[in-house]
Amino acid sequence: ETGVTQTPRHLVMGMTNKKSLKCEQHLGHNAMYWYKQSAKKPLELMFVYSLEERVENNSVPSRFSPECPNSSHLFLHLHTLQPEDSALYLCASSQERGNTIYFGEGSWLTVV
Amino acid sequence: AQSVTQLDSHVSVSEGTPVLLRCNYSSSYSPSLFWYVQHPNKGLQLLLKYTSAATLVKGINGFEAEFKKSETSFHLTKPSAHMSDAAEYFCVVIYASGGSYIPTFGRGTSLIVHP
Repeated sequence: ETGVTQTPRHLVMGMTNKKSLKCEQHLGHNAMYWYKQSAKKPLELMFVYSLEERVENNSVPSRFSPECPNSSHLFLHLHTLQPEDSALYLCASSQERGNTIYFGEGSWLTVV
Repeated sequence: AQSVTQLDSHVSVSEGTPVLLRCNYSSSYSPSLFWYVQHPNKGLQLLLKYTSAATLVKGINGFEAEFKKSETSFHLTKPSAHMSDAAEYFCVVIYASGGSYIPTFGRGTSLIVHP
């Protein structure tokens, strides 16, 4: 138990579907992150939220849409994805940016 | 540009022998340094961190790392490998410079432990 919970753990979706990944942290942190981990590639930072405001968006395609309704919850809304978007999506949180980052177990996404 | 280099993509050891996973960083500033471990189908778990206190940092599961500023290195070691140590290891650096706190990840080192 890391204090960061991601659901669902596994998701299979078609290219025309709309789905969402959910992340909840129970650590009282105020910064949250989405990372993408693909096979044979380095970990990619997608989005950073600090105090519920998006502070980083690393040129992520618009088919990925994050939402941070409060400091404990982070969503990644998915629509019209491509097969190359299949990956492990990791949520993480930290007590302010620059501090230790704690990761969830990840959500395995397969786009068919 | 800030960077983290994990010098080996794979390290193979026998059970009971020492482990050395190498990490070098580039920075003009004092960074915060971390090692994470990722077991198959799992998220990243924090092993240890250096934040400008003691240069030798002890972590979980018998791992430790030494911060060497002169060599810009933060190598991860363990005296005796166990089968359960087989996993992917990531060196991470956070630079506190100019208001930017974006963590920079190494590409990972896969540790293989033979019986």
